[in-house]
This record gives sequence, C-alpha cells and structure tokens, in this order.
Amino acid sequence: AQKITQTQPGMFVQEKEAVTLDCTYDTSDQSYGLFWYKQPSSGEMIFLIYQGSYDEQNATEGRYSLNFQKARKSANLVISASQLGDSAMYFCAMRGPGAGGTSYGKLTFGQGTILTVHP
Amino acid sequence: DAGITQSPRHKVTETGTPVTLRCHQTENHRYMYWYRQDPGHGLRLIHYSYGVKDTDKGEVSDGYSVSRSKTEDFLLTLESATSSQTSVYFCAISQVGSSTDTQYFGPGTRLTVL
Repeated sequence: AQKITQTQPGMFVQEKEAVTLDCTYDTSDQSYGLFWYKQPSSGEMIFLIYQGSYDEQNATEGRYSLNFQKARKSANLVISASQLGDSAMYFCAMRGPGAGGTSYGKLTFGQGTILTVHP
Repeated sequence: DAGITQSPRHKVTETGTPVTLRCHQTENHRYMYWYRQDPGHGLRLIHYSYGVKDTDKGEVSDGYSVSRSKTEDFLLTLESATSSQTSVYFCAISQVGSSTDTQYFGPGTRLTVL
C-alpha cells in the first residue's frame, strides 16, 4: 500500500523568501510518480510539478522545484521568492506503476500543508 | 485545465435521494477518476475508469457507483445519499506524455446531504 505523509499542518513564510514543504512517502513499487498540487481558497486543484521515480534530475517548474531524495523517500516542494498569491493549501500525492495498464494514475494524497505568505 | 467540467457545481439534497454528478472532458483522455475531499482526509479515490465501460473501485467506493458509456463522460451516482457523503467531489483525468505525467482536476462539486 502507498502512503503519503505531510507533517506540517501549517507553514508561514515572509514574502520574497523561499519555503520548503515536506513530503515523505512509502511504497514498495520501483516505478512511481510524485505530484504536488496547490489548492487556493477558491477550491480548485492546480497541478504544480511532477517527478518520476526514475528521473535523475529534480523537477523544476518556474519558482517550484521538487527536492527528490529517493533513498530517504522524500519529495519536498521548494517555492522560491514567495508571493502573496502562494498562500494556499498544498498537497503531495503519489501514483503507483502501471503506465498504460488498467489501474494507471490512481493518486494517494497527503493531508496537506496550509502555507501563509506574510507581506 | 484539460477541458474538464463538472455539473452541477453545487447541490443540496436530502438523505435517501439519488444523486448523479457528471464529469465531462473534451480531450479524449482514456483515464478518468472521481475523488472526494473531506477535512482531515485530503483527497480519496472513489472510482476510476480506464476506458469506455471499464471502471473499478477505489479506496472509498461504498455507496457509490459509476458509469462511462462514452469517452468524454464519467458519471458518479449516489444511489441513496447519506449525510456522510456530504463532501467536495473532484473529477480528474490523467495525461501521459513522453516525458511527463500529469493529472488534472475539474473544478469540483460541493454536495450537501441534509
């Protein structure tokens, strides 16, 4: 069974500073994928970044980067130069293997971290 | 947003009534999913589909059924709604490319069962 743990219920950061949101995972699969989503107060789920288990480089998307440490089973999200609009709930999620198969893409989510950016 | 719409966006119903939520996508994606979001639980998978007429159960499938008669529509039905099914329901699709893997979500449906 897969499990995602986000140990930080809430985080605070000053505008323009960097912040790291923690995510650890547990799986016995060799092939898996890790995702981060942002959920603002308006409620939509916004895809931020993806890291495949076989990707050697850490994923980056603009101000977002994923610090992937496979041996430690961690996939922390780093947001650089925080903006007021970054205030939101952030979810880490994992999918198992089976690309192309019948069970592909099912996500297991963590409980989320609420990020508040102060001016 | 991968062209995903959900209807209705808000619904209030009474215990014991049937409810159907619709997810519609315009980009011919094979995989579709229904999740529910509750405080303290994050998102949990209810059912998913890997093709027309091909569906399977997720983590929290009791009390729910689904149907997918055509690629673009994935329906979630609560046969007899209960208060424990008050939640926000999200539909999602998987988009798999040569170098990426993305799952996009619809805008959500807020369901209240009185």
